[in-house]
Amino acid sequence: KNEVEQSPQNLTAQEGEFITINCSYSVGISALHWLQQHPGGGIVSLFMLSSGKKKHGRLIATINIQEKHSSLHITASHPRDSAVYICAVRSGGGSNYKLTFGKGTLLTVNP
Amino acid sequence: NAGVTQTPKFQVLKTGQSMTLQCAQDMNHEYMSWYRQDPGMGLRLIHYSVGAGITDQGEVPNGYNVSRSTTEDFPLRLLSAAPSQTSVYFCASSYWGSGNTGELFFGEGSRLTVL
Repeated sequence: KNEVEQSPQNLTAQEGEFITINCSYSVGISALHWLQQHPGGGIVSLFMLSSGKKKHGRLIATINIQEKHSSLHITASHPRDSAVYICAVRSGGGSNYKLTFGKGTLLTVNP
Repeated sequence: NAGVTQTPKFQVLKTGQSMTLQCAQDMNHEYMSWYRQDPGMGLRLIHYSVGAGITDQGEVPNGYNVSRSTTEDFPLRLLSAAPSQTSVYFCASSYWGSGNTGELFFGEGSRLTVL
C-alpha cells in the first residue's frame, strides 16, 4: 500500500465548478506539499503546510494532522487549472529526511 | 535568479553508455534531490543531499551515482545505462532549516530514453 494515497485519480469538471482533491497518508509527517504539473511541463510548488489552512488566489489547502488527511480546493475552476496535482509528504528527520509522493490527480476543466 | 537548472532536457542513450544529468541552483539551498517519474508510479527519490559533501540514497538508487562538491551543483550519473532507466528525471532543491521546512523548487525535467 502506498504511503500517500490521492483521490480521485482523474477528475473532470466544468469551468466555474468547485474542485476538491484529497490526500491521505499513513506516516507521521513534518510537512505536506501540494504540487502542480501541467502536461509535458515542469513541477511547481503550490503549498507547503504543516497545520491548518493556506490560501493563494483561488487555491486553498487544508491539513488535519490527527486524521492524516489534506485537501486541495480550487474555487471557480478554469481550463488553465487543468493539470496533474501531486501531494507529497515529508517524514523522518536529520539526514533521514524523506519525501514520499502520491501518484497524482489528473484534473481536466472543460470550458 | 535562474532557480533550478537541469540539463540536458532530452537525451537518447544506448544500453551500457554512461552520462551525467546536471542540476544547478542559485538559491543557496542546502537540500538537493533527484527523482524519476514513471507512468503510474509517481515521483520516486533516487538520491538526495543536505549539504556539500553529504549525500544519501533514496528509494531507487541502484544504477545511479551522485556527488555534492559545491552547494550549487548536484549531478546525477548513470554509470551503465539500462532500458529500465528510461524515465523523466527531476531535480529539486529547498532550504534545509530547523524543522526541515522549505518550499520545493523543481527543475524543468530531463527526458531520458535508453535503447
